[in-house]
Amino acid sequence: EDQVTQSPEALRLQEGESSSLNCSYTVSGLRGLFWYRQDPGKGPEFLFTLYSAGEEKEKERLKATLTKKESFLHITAPKPEDSATYLCAVQASGYGGSQGNLIFGKGTKLSVKP
Amino acid sequence: SAVISQKPSRDICQRGTSLTIQCQVDSQVTMMFWYRQQPGQSLTLIATANQGSEATYESGFVIDKFPISRPNLTFSTLTVSNMSPEDSSIYLCSVDGGSSYNEQFFGPGTRLTVL
Repeated sequence: EDQVTQSPEALRLQEGESSSLNCSYTVSGLRGLFWYRQDPGKGPEFLFTLYSAGEEKEKERLKATLTKKESFLHITAPKPEDSATYLCAVQASGYGGSQGNLIFGKGTKLSVKP
Repeated sequence: SAVISQKPSRDICQRGTSLTIQCQVDSQVTMMFWYRQQPGQSLTLIATANQGSEATYESGFVIDKFPISRPNLTFSTLTVSNMSPEDSSIYLCSVDGGSSYNEQFFGPGTRLTVL
């Protein structure tokens, strides 16, 4: 069964304190791994797509990496505005067409204190 | 990226009634998706809606409970029928980004509370 597990469930950091969020997955053929940011009362905001082991993507203070079993979202020198829930999702290659079912983890709630 | 709006943004409903949620996109898209986000749980796909064809439902979701319409390439509705308190959740629509990245873009969600 395709599955996504995110850890930790919650993470509290001081401003400037770098850390990493983990996304472990099991999937029958990976079409893509996605990171989203979700603010309270809003829909998920797309951050990155990763396709193959060894791939990395960066955006401002965020850097996503991918291995064959997990992905990390590294946050460098975070600011209070980085506080949000970060969601990881995978798409299995077994689904046809250009899109398929996204399987989400439960997310990591990040709080950055000034 | 596409701009997606949903109506209503939130509602409180009585047990046994039905609510229709609207999703409007500012550009034509091939595929639209409906998700449910229950408290403390991950987003779960309810169904995929393509224009001109019946929606495809995921395991555990049935058309009688969650009928979906997709009358054109910019609009879709999800109805939550015969509601019970277990249907209290956030309902989100999303669309495919139309690029090679396979990303999906999400609407702001509809927060539903069933009493």
